[in-house]
Amino acid sequence: SQTIHQWPATLVQPVGSPLSLECTVEGTSNPNLYWYRQAAGRGLQLLFYSVGIGQISSEVPQNLSASRPQDRQFILSSKKLLLSDSGFYLCACSGQGRAYGYTFGSGTRLTVV
Amino acid sequence: GQQLNQSPQSMFIQEGEDVSMNCTSSSIFNTWLWYKQDPGEGPVLLIALYKAGELTSNGRLTAQFGITRKDSFLNISASIPSDVGIYFCAGRLNAGNNRKLIWGLGTSLAVNP
Repeated sequence: SQTIHQWPATLVQPVGSPLSLECTVEGTSNPNLYWYRQAAGRGLQLLFYSVGIGQISSEVPQNLSASRPQDRQFILSSKKLLLSDSGFYLCACSGQGRAYGYTFGSGTRLTVV
Repeated sequence: GQQLNQSPQSMFIQEGEDVSMNCTSSSIFNTWLWYKQDPGEGPVLLIALYKAGELTSNGRLTAQFGITRKDSFLNISASIPSDVGIYFCAGRLNAGNNRKLIWGLGTSLAVNP
């Protein structure tokens, strides 16, 4: 079964500072990878998804970017954080075959101050 | 982006009561998924449904894929305090390699012991 490692669990960053959140996947190869943001404990907003190395699709215009340097590594970045970037960030993966369900990481709580 | 209509938005019940929540869509889905999210954690898959009319149970949880393929419900029988959390429905629209899910906004469940 798939396992997602996501870190850090919590992060407090000042406005204007850079961001790098990392997510790695075990137990599957060539997964689809996703970054979600969740505000106020409700509503999952898809930010980016990737179907392969170097392939990134952005769902919403924003201050963030994503990269997939390796098959099972997905990185969420920002050059300069905004207050509005605060939220709960979740990495997820979906495997091959009929298993369309996503496996989620444990999330990163980002507070921009 | 597109979202599912999930209701109710929140529920406050007594321990031992049964719970029912549902999701509807104007589009036809070929997969329905139900997730539970505990506070500060990523969502965890509870039940996956793959064909119209399918009824699947997971312990005290039962979910059905509506025959119109535009809705799904989740029932929880004899609720217990650990059922507290946010329940999300999610659906997949297209066949092929598109594995993006459409999400409901969640049902927040509180259980009074």
